[in-house]
Amino acid sequence: AQKVTQAQTEISVVEKEDVTLDCVYETRDTTYYLFWYKQPPSGELVFLIRRNSFDEQNEISGRYSWNFQKSTSSFNFTITASQVVDSAVYFCALSEADPNDYKLSFGAGTTVTVRA
Amino acid sequence: KAGVTQTPRYLIKTRGQQVTLSCSPISGHRSVSWYQQTPGQGLQFLFEYFSETQRNKGNFPGRFSGRQFSNSRSEMNVSTLELGDSALYLCASSLALRRNDEQYFGPGTRLTVT
Repeated sequence: AQKVTQAQTEISVVEKEDVTLDCVYETRDTTYYLFWYKQPPSGELVFLIRRNSFDEQNEISGRYSWNFQKSTSSFNFTITASQVVDSAVYFCALSEADPNDYKLSFGAGTTVTVRA
Repeated sequence: KAGVTQTPRYLIKTRGQQVTLSCSPISGHRSVSWYQQTPGQGLQFLFEYFSETQRNKGNFPGRFSGRQFSNSRSEMNVSTLELGDSALYLCASSLALRRNDEQYFGPGTRLTVT
């Protein structure tokens, strides 16, 4: 079963518009970690943020903000005032608590295209 | 501090051949994980090594193997290549001292099997 679902395949916006990426996860663990990664055309995955399951405080970092809601198993990501350089594929990922299962389960990714 | 490096960056092989990919983690990182990325299956976990021991393995056939050396550098090997093995292979390193340590990814090796 898919543990991380990113329902949006592609999003295209004009520069300066806001973009919100949805992420829904599934786990039976009470302790888990959620991540967002960005993959620009160069191919390298860039770490953006992590959250643990006990920290539902939302965060803003520059133009990025995250909305974590355990009640709906969602960990959404918003880019405010998008720029062309934000064009990339964005992945949501889940790491569960099994100490022998140290891996990331990724969603399918959302391709964001920001047009000038 | 230098990032994760992977060599080679691009590789073309023929069906039936074998291939070895290399990954050098960030200095001080003891954990190395490998992921396969394809358009159809997305990002899938292959295996993770910590202090030269494989801690976890994904759902891949035995043709996929790996190892880690005492300096934390890692190699993965794919034997008897199939067309479906064409993918971007990403390596990630982590301190792995805590469960939530972020993984830092390299630029990947793009393997094409013809």
